[in-house]
Amino acid sequence: QSALTQPPSASGSPGQSVTISCTGTSSDVGGYDYVSWYQQHPGKAPKVIIYEVFKRPSGVPDRFSGSKSGNTASLTVSGLQGEDEAEYYCSSHTGSNYVVFGGGTKVTVL
Amino acid sequence: QVQLQGSGPGLVKPSETLSLTCTVSGGSIRSGNYYWSWIRQHPGKGLEWIGSIYYSGSAYYNPSLKSRVTMSVDTSKNHFSLKLSSVTAADTAVYFCARYHSNYYDSSGFLRGTYYFDYWGQGTLVTVSS
Repeated sequence: QSALTQPPSASGSPGQSVTISCTGTSSDVGGYDYVSWYQQHPGKAPKVIIYEVFKRPSGVPDRFSGSKSGNTASLTVSGLQGEDEAEYYCSSHTGSNYVVFGGGTKVTVL
Repeated sequence: QVQLQGSGPGLVKPSETLSLTCTVSGGSIRSGNYYWSWIRQHPGKGLEWIGSIYYSGSAYYNPSLKSRVTMSVDTSKNHFSLKLSSVTAADTAVYFCARYHSNYYDSSGFLRGTYYFDYWGQGTLVTVSS
């Protein structure tokens, strides 16, 4: 299985929006609505912020939103705040009961 | 509140077997709604799924690591374990244990799939070096 494709970096000023793409195949992202997104700050464990493409766990601000079109999923962070500066990873369950991650996107708040 | 605590040697010699254990507290490992998983992160790199195991022992492994990976569950101790054999320097990484939420019953009583990592351990740095 191949890793999902994410841009290595993204940036925005406070208050702006940033969107991160995550491209897979019909065997993972395109085939199932089981895309999740994780936020990881340096030295910390990842934290889920989106699951099942667009659902937010309790406690995650609604500034975080997810969507999917075909083989590409997207995470949008609206109203950027300093604390949003982190690495973001997408993940998808696959038809073989495997899990595949994206390479990660470093979000910088300018 | 569910907590996962990974433990094991921080230094392993090349060609030997890496062994880690993850102890679950605040919930039962016997729950049918979850797989118990290992994920690793090479220094400065992204996340790599190693494998996931059900409390019954049914497991799925990353094809790229499958020949060297063995996972097990001990329900009496509420913990699960990872063994990675024939390690090299390329296996130096932070190893995370995590709970993979796989299904739930909706308001109508139907079993639905979900699939995401909802709880993570703190991560254990394992260095492979002689």
